[in-house]
Amino acid sequence: KQEVTQIPAALSVPEGENLVLNCSFTDSAIYNLQWFRQDPGKGLTSLLLIQSSQREQTSGRLNASLDKSSGRSTLYIAASQPGDSATYLCAVNRDDKIIFGKGTRLHILP
Amino acid sequence: DTEVTQTPKHLVMGMTNKKSLKCEQHMGHRAMYWYKQKAKKPPELMFVYSYEKLSINESVPSRFSPECPNSSLLNLHLHALQPEDSALYLCASSRPSASYNEQFFGPGTRLTVL
Repeated sequence: KQEVTQIPAALSVPEGENLVLNCSFTDSAIYNLQWFRQDPGKGLTSLLLIQSSQREQTSGRLNASLDKSSGRSTLYIAASQPGDSATYLCAVNRDDKIIFGKGTRLHILP
Repeated sequence: DTEVTQTPKHLVMGMTNKKSLKCEQHMGHRAMYWYKQKAKKPPELMFVYSYEKLSINESVPSRFSPECPNSSLLNLHLHALQPEDSALYLCASSRPSASYNEQFFGPGTRLTVL
């Protein structure tokens, strides 16, 4: 059974710092991995999707990496801003079975 | 148009009521999903419609019933719900490709069952 774990559960960092969020999964037989952002009480916003054959994806200040063999992904956020404060979720996908991690609650201190 | 819309935004219902949640997308996606999310928890998949074929999470009780009138619309019919069904209900859609299956989410419907 696929399990997705995100560490840390919560993180507070001063504005301007670079930071890394971690995601691990137990079954490496995935089609892709997707990172989302969720603001309180809102829907999910897709940030990056990495296909199983890819190693990384970049969008602006965000960079996501995937090491499928070791069951790990990281989301790197450069030059953090208060507007980055949100919950970040990773999800792995196989056969339309989408399994989410519990998320990392990120707070950027002004 | 990369938007998934959901109505209503908020819904309060009694345990004897029948109501429906609606979801719509015009991205040409052929897979649509319903998720349930409790506070401070990740979304849990309830149903998937992929090319009009329904897949069900077997843990979902029968008081929830999905309907897919066409490839752009997805409804969730609610009947005889319990207070523990109060949650944020999220709809998503994707282009169902094995390797590229980016999911786009709607803003959700906040459901309260009294």
